[in-house]
Amino acid sequence: QAVVTQEPSLTVSPGGTVTLTCGSSTGAVTSGHYAYWFQQKSGQAPSILIYDTSNKHPWTPARFSGSLLGGKAALTLSGAQPGDEADYYCLLSYNGPWVFGGGTKLTVL
Amino acid sequence: EVQLVESGGGLVQPGGSLRLSCAASGFICNNYWMTWVRQAPGKGLEWVANIKEDGSQKYYMDSVKGRFTISRDNAKNSLYLQMNTLRAEDTAVYYCACGGHADYWGQGTLVTVSS
Repeated sequence: QAVVTQEPSLTVSPGGTVTLTCGSSTGAVTSGHYAYWFQQKSGQAPSILIYDTSNKHPWTPARFSGSLLGGKAALTLSGAQPGDEADYYCLLSYNGPWVFGGGTKLTVL
Repeated sequence: EVQLVESGGGLVQPGGSLRLSCAASGFICNNYWMTWVRQAPGKGLEWVANIKEDGSQKYYMDSVKGRFTISRDNAKNSLYLQMNTLRAEDTAVYYCACGGHADYWGQGTLVTVSS
């Protein structure tokens, strides 16, 4: 199965902007991968933020946005808050099977 | 309130079997694909299996093919995972999810494979 890659860790200042990326070993990530982004805070179950590359759930804060960037899926956080400190996972669909990335540990400092 | 509650986890010896269940309430999962995801202690999320609304399509991660079977009972709004020939590397918290885009998740059930 494919391997999905993410930055292991990133740091952003409060109020700052950061972009997390998600690449695929099979080539460019496209809309056909229906990229998902999940947030997982310590000790909690994951919670979906973005689906189908750029669509938000009603509970997704407006400061999060999804896109395709340079052949990868991207999650941009604009105006980071201390409560955004968490692990972020992307998920790509490969015509049936799914594959998660290894996750990005985001520190707000 | 939407609730997904997993059950059936526990300690099992290598080579043993377990059947996980996931009961949904407050949301009709019948109309959506359902999913099992696992997370080994201190590790990242790992997709395990998906099943279509009517059970006619199922997909598995390579390392569980032939050992795990996903199934569902729409009359009970429930999802299952039969796990056979368990290995130490299957040790993880197992989450179920449903919704159009894996919108709703349970809190997970811990499976420990150890002698």
